[in-house]
Amino acid sequence: SQQGEEDPQALSIQEGENATMNCSYKTSINNLQWYRQNSGRGLVHLILIRSNEREKHSGRLRVTLDTSKKSSSLLITASRAADTASYFCATGRYGGSQGNLIFGKGTKLSVKP
Amino acid sequence: DGGITQSPKYLFRKEGQNVTLSCEQNLNHDAMYWYRQDPGQGLRLIYYSQIVNDFQKGDIAEGYSVSREKKESFPLTVTSAQKNPTAFYLCASSRLAGSNEQFFGPGTRLTVL
Repeated sequence: SQQGEEDPQALSIQEGENATMNCSYKTSINNLQWYRQNSGRGLVHLILIRSNEREKHSGRLRVTLDTSKKSSSLLITASRAADTASYFCATGRYGGSQGNLIFGKGTKLSVKP
Repeated sequence: DGGITQSPKYLFRKEGQNVTLSCEQNLNHDAMYWYRQDPGQGLRLIYYSQIVNDFQKGDIAEGYSVSREKKESFPLTVTSAQKNPTAFYLCASSRLAGSNEQFFGPGTRLTVL
């Protein structure tokens, strides 16, 4: 069962532009997390935003959370070719064991030099 | 160096054979997870374990088995009962208290010949 669904599925931009990815989910959450995956590699945790937070920053990353709309967005500013990767949102399973996450299908970002 | 390791990186198996994928972590995490990722897809949970000698089925456990005899180790066996085992397998670990951020290994790509 999918909890987080990312949008768009693929995004292609030029270096220096901003990239925005969205995530929608279905049930109540404690927190929402964003991960990055380079091709053929494991996932790397980027940022976690708690349900009582609306916005969080980490370097060039900005995450927003709207619990009323059950949605989150990840903004990467001043993108670089090295940002090319797939980005996944993940939420906890409603009523599930702590630590157990559900991942969306991801947004594949391509940043052209 | 703290982290989570998986071996081998690439694995080839003949139909009808069982194969075991290794996952080791030295992060002192209680919880460990196995995911399967197919091309262009998100992660699907196979099994997870929150404590030594205990584990739970995830969304797609059929054809797989695991053990958790040590806190550091969570091997996954892909049995001949798994109808379509060719995929990218990711192992992860996390603490149970506080944030449930997951740390991922580099993955094992299994190909059935």
